[in-house]
Amino acid sequence: GQQLNQSPQSMFIQEGEDVSMNCTSSSIFNTWLWYKQDPGEGPVLLIALYKAGELTSNGRLTAQFGITRKDSFLNISASIPSDVGIYFCAGLWGGAQKLVFGQGTRLTINP
Amino acid sequence: GAVVSQHPSWVICKSGTSVKIECRSLDFQATTMFWYRQFPKQSLMLMATSNEGSKATYEQGVEKDKFLINHASLTLSTLTVTSAHPEDSSFYICSARGQATNEKLFFGSGTQLSVL
Repeated sequence: GQQLNQSPQSMFIQEGEDVSMNCTSSSIFNTWLWYKQDPGEGPVLLIALYKAGELTSNGRLTAQFGITRKDSFLNISASIPSDVGIYFCAGLWGGAQKLVFGQGTRLTINP
Repeated sequence: GAVVSQHPSWVICKSGTSVKIECRSLDFQATTMFWYRQFPKQSLMLMATSNEGSKATYEQGVEKDKFLINHASLTLSTLTVTSAHPEDSSFYICSARGQATNEKLFFGSGTQLSVL
């Protein structure tokens, strides 16, 4: 079935640094979604992308839907301690309308 | 964003008992609800998809007689783990979407199940 390859798996950065993570696939997706999950909680939607080439911002977060529809990236600028968590990309594909998740990127921030 | 409420947040039960988890869409009608399972430090794995008023569609490898899903209304879906065993211990998360959410998927806060 469809698979998403998310990288990096983990990041250790200093507060104030910018962060970039991405997802790629060999399959075409109709929609890309980015979520953040805190320990013991369900994922929270950050950004939704619906069109190839679309670039969308949500505060310090920016995400883009790749032109080929097979990839997406998420950038976080000027990271702060509350950005710590696990970030998941997710793609919606085909008529089945199922959401496929990447493996997650665990973000750790040193103050 | 839309609100999805999931209860209970955590449950501890004895092996052999059944556990029911509820998922409610509070401010929209959920035409489709999904149930995921997540093991520690792993991604979410889709278990089943349910549309209101119809039988759930289970992913390959998920036992439908063990994980009973009911989506009787546009705002409520339940997952019942029947005759739970320790290997069923996991974090279960529901999600929902509808026309009002522009097909975006919103998640409940999850249920941590521990089977002794």
